[in-house]
Amino acid sequence: NAGVMQNPRHLVRRRGQEARLRCSPMKGHSHVYWYRQLPEEGLKFMVYLQKENIIDESGMPKERFSAEFPKEGPSILRIQQVVRGDSAAYFCASSPLDAHEQYFGPGTRLTVT
Amino acid sequence: EDKVVQSPLSLVVHEGDTVTLNCSYEVTNFRSLLWYKQEKKAPTFLFMLTSSGIEKKSGRLSSILDKKELFSILNITATQTGDSAVYLCAYSRAGGTSYGKLTFGQGTILTVHP
Repeated sequence: NAGVMQNPRHLVRRRGQEARLRCSPMKGHSHVYWYRQLPEEGLKFMVYLQKENIIDESGMPKERFSAEFPKEGPSILRIQQVVRGDSAAYFCASSPLDAHEQYFGPGTRLTVT
Repeated sequence: EDKVVQSPLSLVVHEGDTVTLNCSYEVTNFRSLLWYKQEKKAPTFLFMLTSSGIEKKSGRLSSILDKKELFSILNITATQTGDSAVYLCAYSRAGGTSYGKLTFGQGTILTVHP
């Protein structure tokens, strides 16, 4: 049973470009969560999605960030007009039912130059 | 304000030692407390605790929750160098739309020397 998959694993973007991060949950999981880990900081919740629904986006910055989990395909975290402060590791997690344990993917390390 | 605090922040031991990591929390509408191990990659799930006083065990690792005193401990016996990692605790809340959100502590950095 494949785990949570994320791609790309490493992404380099210049300031002002767009970053798209993808997450495929574990088989049988319909709940997806995105977290961000800034250098030397802890994991911070960003958004919780179910298929075609955003359940909780209380951790998402108000501008430039968006997330979706379409009926078909992976969940996408999109960052528009990236700035140096967006450089971080972005982790996706999934769970089979709401509020059960979450299983994390390997993360995408975004570097903004 | 809800919070979760881990102690110690770092710990250095030798192989074979037993360690106890602490996680205290203050959370309204508490639902569960989770432990993860993070090496230089994704956090790996260890335990989820919802009931007070019931120990969860997996090999050399065990964990227990005290809902009255609002803390949890993670024990590792007979430590090995492969146990070196950051250990994270996190809580989830019940109710509303925030039940999917995990809030993490700052972590305990464990280093096990041969």
